[in-house]
Amino acid sequence: AQSVTQPDIHITVSEGASLELRCNYSYGATPYLFWYVQSPGQGLQLLLKYFSGDTLVQGIKGFEAEFKRSQSSFNLRKPSVHWSDAAEYFCAVGPPGGGYQKVTFGTGTKLQVIP
Amino acid sequence: GAVVSQHPSRVICKSGTSVKIECRSLDFQATTMFWYRQFPKQSLMLMATSNEGSKATYEQGVEKDKFLINHASLTLSTLTVTSAHPEDSSFYICSAPLSASETQYFGPGTRLLVL
Repeated sequence: AQSVTQPDIHITVSEGASLELRCNYSYGATPYLFWYVQSPGQGLQLLLKYFSGDTLVQGIKGFEAEFKRSQSSFNLRKPSVHWSDAAEYFCAVGPPGGGYQKVTFGTGTKLQVIP
Repeated sequence: GAVVSQHPSRVICKSGTSVKIECRSLDFQATTMFWYRQFPKQSLMLMATSNEGSKATYEQGVEKDKFLINHASLTLSTLTVTSAHPEDSSFYICSAPLSASETQYFGPGTRLLVL
């Protein structure tokens, strides 16, 4: 069974500081990996995804994530956080070729940005 | 990117009534759509997979007679919460993949409050 762990429930960073959100997954093979962002009361917006190839993936809004197979991790990073980045972030995993397959979400990390 | 809409965005109903939520793919055809439920401060949990022209597939623990899903066209799936009770109050989100190899695009969600 596939699963996703986001060990940090809540993270607070200062505006302009760097950010790393952790994500570990469990899957029998190399899965499809995603990071989504959700603002309060809103749906999910895809930040980036990893299917194959270069393990460092660039996304929207200046985010990037690195797939590390040996650590079963897919951590999200941003070099300089903006106040507008305050939101909840979800890591998700799905089977390869899995547009029509079930995606499993982590429990989310809530990001607070302080001035 | 592809656009998925939901209607209504927010609904309040009395206990015992039924509520229908629509999920539409606006600029692409979706043979498969997914319905998720998100309780406050929790992650998204897949409820069911909606397949155009056939019966939906429900996740374990989800009552198919309570959460009726109809996917009558390639652009519309509906979720009807029958005889709603306060414990059904939640944020319901649908998603649809652009293709078999593509990621899922999420609707903005529907907030249901059952009084």
